Amino acid sequence: GNSVTQMEGPVTLSEEAFLTINCTYTATGYPSLFWYVQYPGEGLQLLLKATKADDKGSNKGFEATYRKETTSFHLEKGSVQVSDSAVYFCALSGRYSSASKIIFGSGTRLSIRP
Amino acid sequence: DVKVTQSSRYLVKRTGEKVFLECVQDMDHENMFWYRQDPGLGLRLIYFSYDVKMKEKGDIPEGYSVSREKKERFSLILESASTNQTSMYLCASSPYSDPRADTQYFGPGTRLTVL
Repeated sequence: GNSVTQMEGPVTLSEEAFLTINCTYTATGYPSLFWYVQYPGEGLQLLLKATKADDKGSNKGFEATYRKETTSFHLEKGSVQVSDSAVYFCALSGRYSSASKIIFGSGTRLSIRP
Repeated sequence: DVKVTQSSRYLVKRTGEKVFLECVQDMDHENMFWYRQDPGLGLRLIYFSYDVKMKEKGDIPEGYSVSREKKERFSLILESASTNQTSMYLCASSPYSDPRADTQYFGPGTRLTVL
Protein backbone atom coordinates (compact mmCIF):
# COMPACT_ATOMS: atom_id res chain seq x y z
CA GLY A 1 0.00 0.00 0.00
CA ASN A 2 0.89 3.66 -0.09
CA SER A 3 3.32 4.91 2.51
CA VAL A 4 5.58 7.80 3.40
CA THR A 5 8.96 7.66 5.11
CA GLN A 6 10.61 10.80 6.42
CA MET A 7 13.80 11.41 8.33
CA GLU A 8 13.56 11.06 12.05
CA GLY A 9 14.10 14.02 14.26
CA PRO A 10 14.65 15.99 16.18
CA VAL A 11 16.65 18.22 13.88
CA THR A 12 18.40 21.16 15.54
CA LEU A 13 19.98 23.93 13.48
CA SER A 14 21.32 27.40 14.02
CA GLU A 15 19.50 30.39 12.57
CA GLU A 16 20.33 31.02 8.89
CA ALA A 17 21.47 27.42 8.34
CA PHE A 18 20.38 25.41 5.29
CA LEU A 19 17.61 22.91 5.93
CA THR A 20 16.84 19.59 4.27
CA ILE A 21 14.23 17.17 5.56
CA ASN A 22 14.16 13.97 3.52
CA CYS A 23 10.95 12.30 2.44
CA THR A 24 10.44 9.26 0.24
CA TYR A 25 7.22 7.59 -0.70
CA THR A 26 5.74 4.37 -2.02
CA ALA A 27 2.58 4.67 -4.06
CA THR A 28 0.63 3.21 -6.90
CA GLY A 29 -0.58 5.61 -9.52
CA TYR A 30 0.17 9.31 -9.39
CA PRO A 31 -0.47 10.78 -5.96
CA SER A 32 -0.17 14.41 -4.98
CA LEU A 33 2.54 15.14 -2.42
CA PHE A 34 2.34 17.56 0.48
CA TRP A 35 4.30 19.08 3.31
CA TYR A 36 2.24 20.07 6.33
CA VAL A 37 3.59 22.03 9.29
CA GLN A 38 2.42 22.02 12.91
CA TYR A 39 3.50 24.97 15.04
CA PRO A 40 3.50 24.53 18.82
CA GLY A 41 0.00 24.26 20.24
CA GLU A 42 -1.70 24.32 16.84
CA GLY A 43 -3.20 21.94 14.32
CA LEU A 44 -1.56 21.08 11.01
CA GLN A 45 -1.58 23.49 8.12
CA LEU A 46 -0.56 23.00 4.53
CA LEU A 47 2.91 24.35 3.78
CA LEU A 48 3.21 23.36 0.12
CA LYS A 49 2.12 20.72 -2.37
CA ALA A 50 2.90 19.30 -5.79
CA THR A 51 0.43 17.41 -7.93
CA LYS A 52 2.60 15.81 -10.64
CA ALA A 53 6.14 14.73 -11.38
CA ASP A 54 8.75 17.51 -11.63
CA ASP A 55 6.39 20.04 -10.05
CA LYS A 56 7.98 22.27 -7.43
CA GLY A 57 5.90 23.42 -4.49
CA SER A 58 7.05 26.52 -2.62
CA ASN A 59 5.87 28.72 0.23
CA LYS A 60 7.47 30.91 2.93
CA GLY A 61 10.96 30.20 1.52
CA PHE A 62 10.46 26.42 1.63
CA GLU A 63 10.64 24.31 -1.52
CA ALA A 64 10.14 20.68 -2.48
CA THR A 65 10.28 19.01 -5.90
CA TYR A 66 8.22 15.95 -6.83
CA ARG A 67 10.83 13.44 -8.07
CA LYS A 68 9.19 10.39 -9.56
CA GLU A 69 12.46 8.70 -10.52
CA THR A 70 13.68 8.71 -6.91
CA THR A 71 10.19 8.68 -5.32
CA SER A 72 11.20 11.62 -3.17
CA PHE A 73 9.83 14.99 -2.05
CA HIS A 74 12.57 16.51 0.11
CA LEU A 75 11.85 19.78 1.91
CA GLU A 76 14.49 22.51 1.69
CA LYS A 77 14.98 26.05 2.91
CA GLY A 78 18.06 28.16 2.30
CA SER A 79 18.10 30.10 5.58
CA VAL A 80 15.97 29.02 8.51
CA GLN A 81 14.59 31.29 11.20
CA VAL A 82 13.65 30.67 14.82
CA SER A 83 10.01 31.00 13.78
CA ASP A 84 10.42 27.88 11.59
CA SER A 85 10.63 25.71 14.71
CA ALA A 86 7.77 23.23 14.30
CA VAL A 87 6.96 19.65 13.37
CA TYR A 88 6.94 18.94 9.62
CA PHE A 89 4.91 16.15 8.05
CA CYS A 90 5.41 14.75 4.57
CA ALA A 91 2.21 13.30 3.10
CA LEU A 92 0.66 11.90 -0.04
CA SER A 93 -2.88 11.69 -1.29
CA GLY A 94 -4.60 8.46 -2.09
CA ARG A 95 -8.05 7.31 -2.94
CA TYR A 96 -9.82 5.50 -0.14
CA SER A 97 -13.31 4.36 -0.92
CA SER A 98 -15.50 7.39 -1.43
CA ALA A 99 -13.22 10.12 -0.19
CA SER A 100 -9.70 11.22 -0.75
CA LYS A 101 -7.32 10.26 1.99
CA ILE A 102 -3.99 11.69 2.98
CA ILE A 103 -1.29 9.40 4.33
CA PHE A 104 1.14 11.14 6.67
CA GLY A 105 4.71 10.42 7.60
CA SER A 106 5.67 10.25 11.25
CA GLY A 107 6.78 13.88 11.43
CA THR A 108 10.14 15.58 11.93
CA ARG A 109 10.58 18.04 14.78
CA LEU A 110 12.73 21.02 13.82
CA SER A 111 14.28 23.33 16.42
CA ILE A 112 16.16 26.47 15.39
CA ARG A 113 18.66 28.05 17.80
CA PRO A 114 19.02 31.86 17.73
CA ASP B 1 -10.48 31.51 5.54
CA VAL B 2 -11.52 27.96 6.29
CA LYS B 3 -12.14 27.46 9.95
CA VAL B 4 -12.26 24.13 11.72
CA THR B 5 -13.03 24.28 15.40
CA GLN B 6 -12.91 21.61 18.05
CA SER B 7 -14.97 21.77 21.21
CA SER B 8 -12.12 21.48 23.70
CA ARG B 9 -8.37 22.03 23.65
CA TYR B 10 -7.77 19.89 26.74
CA LEU B 11 -9.93 17.17 28.24
CA VAL B 12 -9.39 14.85 31.21
CA LYS B 13 -11.66 11.82 31.61
CA ARG B 14 -11.75 8.67 33.69
CA THR B 15 -11.51 5.11 32.43
CA GLY B 16 -14.90 3.82 31.35
CA GLU B 17 -16.46 7.23 30.72
CA LYS B 18 -18.22 7.99 27.45
CA VAL B 19 -16.41 10.84 25.71
CA PHE B 20 -17.63 13.10 22.94
CA LEU B 21 -15.25 15.16 20.80
CA GLU B 22 -16.96 17.69 18.56
CA CYS B 23 -15.70 19.24 15.35
CA VAL B 24 -17.32 21.98 13.27
CA GLN B 25 -16.23 23.40 9.92
CA ASP B 26 -17.62 26.48 8.23
CA MET B 27 -16.69 25.92 4.58
CA ASP B 28 -19.42 23.53 3.47
CA HIS B 29 -16.87 20.74 2.95
CA GLU B 30 -18.18 17.29 2.12
CA ASN B 31 -15.33 15.33 3.68
CA MET B 32 -14.45 15.29 7.37
CA PHE B 33 -11.83 13.25 9.18
CA TRP B 34 -10.74 12.27 12.68
CA TYR B 35 -7.10 11.45 13.39
CA ARG B 36 -5.11 10.70 16.46
CA GLN B 37 -1.55 11.93 16.75
CA ASP B 38 1.00 10.09 18.85
CA PRO B 39 4.76 10.70 19.13
CA GLY B 40 6.70 8.71 16.55
CA LEU B 41 3.55 7.47 14.84
CA GLY B 42 2.45 10.61 13.03
CA LEU B 43 -1.25 10.91 12.25
CA ARG B 44 -3.43 7.85 12.03
CA LEU B 45 -6.90 7.99 10.53
CA ILE B 46 -9.68 6.81 12.84
CA TYR B 47 -12.83 7.49 10.81
CA PHE B 48 -13.91 9.73 8.00
CA SER B 49 -17.16 10.87 6.48
CA TYR B 50 -17.86 11.93 2.89
CA ASP B 51 -21.44 13.05 3.40
CA VAL B 52 -24.10 13.53 6.04
CA LYS B 53 -24.87 10.25 7.82
CA MET B 54 -22.12 8.50 5.83
CA LYS B 55 -19.02 7.20 7.56
CA GLU B 56 -16.17 4.85 6.85
CA LYS B 57 -13.55 3.25 9.02
CA GLY B 58 -10.02 4.47 8.78
CA ASP B 59 -6.93 2.61 9.87
CA ILE B 60 -7.59 2.40 13.63
CA PRO B 61 -11.37 2.50 14.28
CA GLU B 62 -11.42 0.08 17.22
CA GLY B 63 -12.84 1.64 20.36
CA TYR B 64 -14.30 4.64 18.50
CA SER B 65 -17.50 5.56 16.74
CA VAL B 66 -18.59 8.70 14.88
CA SER B 67 -21.68 10.66 14.08
CA ARG B 68 -22.44 13.09 11.28
CA GLU B 69 -25.99 14.38 11.48
CA LYS B 70 -25.23 17.75 9.86
CA LYS B 71 -22.78 18.58 7.12
CA GLU B 72 -20.76 20.99 9.23
CA ARG B 73 -20.41 18.80 12.32
CA PHE B 74 -18.52 15.54 12.87
CA SER B 75 -18.38 13.94 16.30
CA LEU B 76 -15.97 11.34 17.60
CA ILE B 77 -17.26 9.11 20.39
CA LEU B 78 -15.27 6.98 22.78
CA GLU B 79 -17.89 4.60 24.12
CA SER B 80 -15.80 3.54 27.12
CA ALA B 81 -12.58 5.47 27.41
CA SER B 82 -9.39 3.58 28.15
CA THR B 83 -5.92 4.80 29.10
CA ASN B 84 -4.50 3.78 25.69
CA GLN B 85 -6.80 6.36 24.12
CA THR B 86 -4.85 9.16 25.76
CA SER B 87 -3.69 11.14 22.72
CA MET B 88 -4.01 14.29 20.65
CA TYR B 89 -7.11 14.15 18.46
CA LEU B 90 -7.22 16.19 15.27
CA CYS B 91 -10.22 16.90 13.11
CA ALA B 92 -9.90 17.90 9.46
CA SER B 93 -12.14 18.71 6.53
CA SER B 94 -11.73 18.89 2.76
CA PRO B 95 -13.91 19.63 -0.24
CA TYR B 96 -14.96 16.91 -2.64
CA SER B 97 -12.83 18.02 -5.54
CA ASP B 98 -9.99 16.48 -7.49
CA PRO B 99 -8.71 13.92 -4.98
CA ARG B 100 -5.18 14.25 -6.29
CA ALA B 101 -5.07 17.87 -5.24
CA ASP B 102 -7.15 17.81 -2.07
CA THR B 103 -5.92 19.84 0.84
CA GLN B 104 -7.15 19.05 4.30
CA TYR B 105 -7.86 21.82 6.80
CA PHE B 106 -7.19 21.00 10.42
CA GLY B 107 -8.59 22.11 13.72
CA PRO B 108 -6.29 22.98 16.65
CA GLY B 109 -6.62 19.55 18.24
CA THR B 110 -7.96 18.19 21.51
CA ARG B 111 -5.47 16.73 23.95
CA LEU B 112 -7.35 13.96 25.77
CA THR B 113 -6.02 12.37 28.92
CA VAL B 114 -7.74 9.25 30.25
CA LEU B 115 -6.92 8.47 33.88
